[in-house]
Amino acid sequence: DTGVSQNPRHKITKRGQNVTFRCDPISEHNRLYWYRQTLGQGPEFLTYFQNEAQLEKSRLLSDRFSAERPKGSFSTLEIQRTEQGDSAMYLCASRRGTGGDYNEQFFGPGTRLTVL
Amino acid sequence: KQEVTQIPAALSVPEGENLVLNCSFTDSAIYNLQWFRQDPGKGLTSLLLIQSSQREQTSGRLNASLDKSSGRSTLYIAASQPGDSATYLCAVSGNTGKLIFGQGTTLQVKP
Repeated sequence: DTGVSQNPRHKITKRGQNVTFRCDPISEHNRLYWYRQTLGQGPEFLTYFQNEAQLEKSRLLSDRFSAERPKGSFSTLEIQRTEQGDSAMYLCASRRGTGGDYNEQFFGPGTRLTVL
Repeated sequence: KQEVTQIPAALSVPEGENLVLNCSFTDSAIYNLQWFRQDPGKGLTSLLLIQSSQREQTSGRLNASLDKSSGRSTLYIAASQPGDSATYLCAVSGNTGKLIFGQGTTLQVKP
């Protein structure tokens, strides 16, 4: 048990609907990362937060995607007007530190999204 | 742009064999290299983290090495067991901490 939790674990939706995922990091971790993983591939970076500040967004994160981390605690990832290409596993990870250090990153179990 | 490559993509061995998984990266300016295990449909479990100043790390039957100058890491698994069957992912991080992953090696250990 890594201590990072994600909800829901599975989400099936119809194309065009909006979905929201939640990540609860390990409590003392100030950095939180979102990744996306498609079948047979390694995870790809989407965005990360230092406390409540979103510091970097990948070009993979189109304007249909938005992420927040209010009060530097849990984070949400919302996808608007879902498309079939959004079907993937969405992974959340957290770690201590401010970057430029040697701290380990811990992952949650992921949310598997299927867009019909 | 950092790129991470893992070879082989898949590997099948009989139980008890020692095996080596390979990972290479194109930019040597890394802070950490981390090896993960992923079971089908599950999240990632961290196995070993090697800091850029280190040469290797060991945990039980696992040993990971890092040659930063040549952009290579290996994960050595001793006396493989069927329970080791999973996908193994290698990832490197720079000064933001974000991880760049390889595509993984899917290992099957046959009883």
